[in-house]
Amino acid sequence: DIQMTQSPSSLSASVGDRVTITCRASQSISSYLNWYQQKPGKAPKLLIYVASSLQSGVPSRFSGSGSGTDFTLTISSLQPEDFATYYCQQSYSAPPTFGQGTKVEIK
Amino acid sequence: QVQLQQSGPGLVKPSQTLSLTCAISGDSVSSNSVAWNWIRQSPSRGLEWLGRTYYRSKWYNDYAVSLKSRITINPDTSKNQFSLQLNSVTPEDTAVYYCARDRRFENDYWGQGTLVTVSS
Repeated sequence: DIQMTQSPSSLSASVGDRVTITCRASQSISSYLNWYQQKPGKAPKLLIYVASSLQSGVPSRFSGSGSGTDFTLTISSLQPEDFATYYCQQSYSAPPTFGQGTKVEIK
Repeated sequence: QVQLQQSGPGLVKPSQTLSLTCAISGDSVSSNSVAWNWIRQSPSRGLEWLGRTYYRSKWYNDYAVSLKSRITINPDTSKNQFSLQLNSVTPEDTAVYYCARDRRFENDYWGQGTLVTVSS
C-alpha cells in the first residue's frame, strides 16, 4: 500500500494567516492526490481533487499543488471556519490511502 | 444534489456481524461513472478504505486485503442503496463508518457517519 505522510501533525495559526500543509507519498502518485477538510462530528469534505482542482463550492482561498510524491495544500488567508483537520488521500492505486491528518488550531 | 443516508445499529457484540446500509438520493447505485465506497475512521487507524461496489455493464467489488475474508458490499438496485457486512467483528472494528461516492478518483459525497461500537 502507498503510505501518505502529512506535516505538520498540527499547527496553530491566526485568522488571516497563510497556512501550508504538506503531504508526501511513499512512491510517485502522479497527480492523483485529494484534500479533505473534517470538522468534529462531521464527515470529511472534499476540497481539492487531482492535486490542484478546486471542488465546486469551495472558496478560492484553498489551493493545491504538487505532483509525483510531494504535494501542498495552501489556505491563503485563514478564516474562522477553516479551523479543522485536513487529510490528503491518494487515488493512484488501490487501496486508496489517507494521511494521518493535520489539525489547524486557533493561535 | 446527491445525498447519502446511513442506517444500522450502533452496537454490535464481538464475533457477530456488523451491517450498515447507505441509501442514495440524487444518483443511482447502478451509475456507470461512479463507485460506492465504505470507509471507516478510528483514532488508532485513522481513515481506512474498506471497499467499494460499482457497475460497469456488470457488478464489481473491491475490498481491502486485510478484510477480504470478512467483508461483503452489496448493491440493492430496487431500493437504490448499498450495504456493508463485516463478519466476526472484534473491538478493533470499533469506528465511525462512512459511505461515500467515488466520483472518479475522489470521494465527493459522504454519508453522515455511524459510530459502531463492538462490545458485549
